[in-house]
Amino acid sequence: DQQVKQNSPSLSVQEGRISILNCDYTNSMFDYFLWYKKYPAEGPTFLISISSIKDKNEDGRFTVFLNKSAKHLSLHIVPSQPGDSAVYFCAASASNYQLIWGAGTKLIIKP
Amino acid sequence: EAQVTQNPRYLITVTGKKLTVTCSQNMNHEYMSWYRQDPGLGLRQIYYSMNVEVTDKGDVPEGYKVSRKEKRNFPLILESPSPNQTSLYFCASSTRGRFSYEQYFGPGTRLTVT
Repeated sequence: DQQVKQNSPSLSVQEGRISILNCDYTNSMFDYFLWYKKYPAEGPTFLISISSIKDKNEDGRFTVFLNKSAKHLSLHIVPSQPGDSAVYFCAASASNYQLIWGAGTKLIIKP
Repeated sequence: EAQVTQNPRYLITVTGKKLTVTCSQNMNHEYMSWYRQDPGLGLRQIYYSMNVEVTDKGDVPEGYKVSRKEKRNFPLILESPSPNQTSLYFCASSTRGRFSYEQYFGPGTRLTVT
């Protein structure tokens, strides 16, 4: 059973608009969450993270929101740019060094 | 330049022929890990290492071996590859410590076992 789920395999957004990527998890022991971005033929690169003691973390155009009661987090990208087109992975950890990953969402930014 | 390197980037082999995928990092990271990525499944951890001579199984260790004799290197060994090990493999490294989960990834190795 997948503990971290990204239910949208792909998402298409107009350039300049907001992109919202969603992630759900089932393990209440997860206390740290991360988003990674992956371009084709490259390894994932770290984007932004959030601890379970917070409900929001912001870094430039990227904001991650955490709703612990719903076991849901989301990544907001505002405004979306063509270079944001990539696969985005959500990952979670339960106070150890193991990350549990979602299947990824392919974001396509349309000009 | 801080980086994680993997070799080879692409490999096609036959069932049962032993192979090694190398991984090296130049950031003096204690923690290293191997993942495989399969369609619809995200990244799954194969093995990880907290430091030299310290390794442990991840979620999908069957059919794989690792060693950590030096801090910078963490090779992945497939003693007898099978077609179900056809996948995209990533090596990653990070520092240790609470919330040091920001992992740096290599470019990936695409393995095909026929």
